[in-house]
Amino acid sequence: KAGVTQTPRYLIKTRGQQVTLSCSPISGHRSVSWYQQTPGQGLQFLFEYFSETQRNKGNFPGRFSGRQFSNSRSEMNVSTLELGDSALYLCASTEAGGAGQPQHFGDGTRLSIL
Amino acid sequence: GQQVMQIPQYQHVQEGEDFTTYCNSSTTLSNIQWYKQRPGGHPVFLIQLVKSGEVKKQKRLTFQFGEAKKNSSLHITATQTTDVGTYFCAGSGSARQLTFGSGTQLTVLP
Repeated sequence: KAGVTQTPRYLIKTRGQQVTLSCSPISGHRSVSWYQQTPGQGLQFLFEYFSETQRNKGNFPGRFSGRQFSNSRSEMNVSTLELGDSALYLCASTEAGGAGQPQHFGDGTRLSIL
Repeated sequence: GQQVMQIPQYQHVQEGEDFTTYCNSSTTLSNIQWYKQRPGGHPVFLIQLVKSGEVKKQKRLTFQFGEAKKNSSLHITATQTTDVGTYFCAGSGSARQLTFGSGTQLTVLP
């Protein structure tokens, strides 16, 4: 089975721009969660999508949004980029979602804001 | 909100020495998971503990879940250079979302 695929792997943007990141989960997995990883803050939960519905949301501003499509692929959008948004963005998939299942992570998208 | 503290932040050991990382939650957890992230890689699931006082072993790794389900530890016996990486605990409680600890970065000196 192919693993979780995230595109692009690297992205460079400037302040004020917006960005869209993509995540394709493991085949058969219906839940996708997004995390922001920074050296100082570790992994911070952004949101979880299951069957095209946002099921859970972390403490991030409204500039961070996401969606999930009928094939379970998910996108995350960040608008009005700030320098502090520079981070590794990881998505993880599980079969049925929820915090009681092992998260299968992708390689992440490294976003740099200039 | 739920907070998960993990210590130490960094640990350097000589190959063959033991290593332990500790995790403490501000609230009672439903379960705790452990992940390993190699340098430049992504977190990889190691194990999940669910029961109070549970102990699980994977070869040289021993995982424990506290009686009160608020703390956990990972112990590696006789470290090897392949153990290098950052170890994260992640707990879930009433919020039904995983809260990750800040991780312990393990360096193994040959």
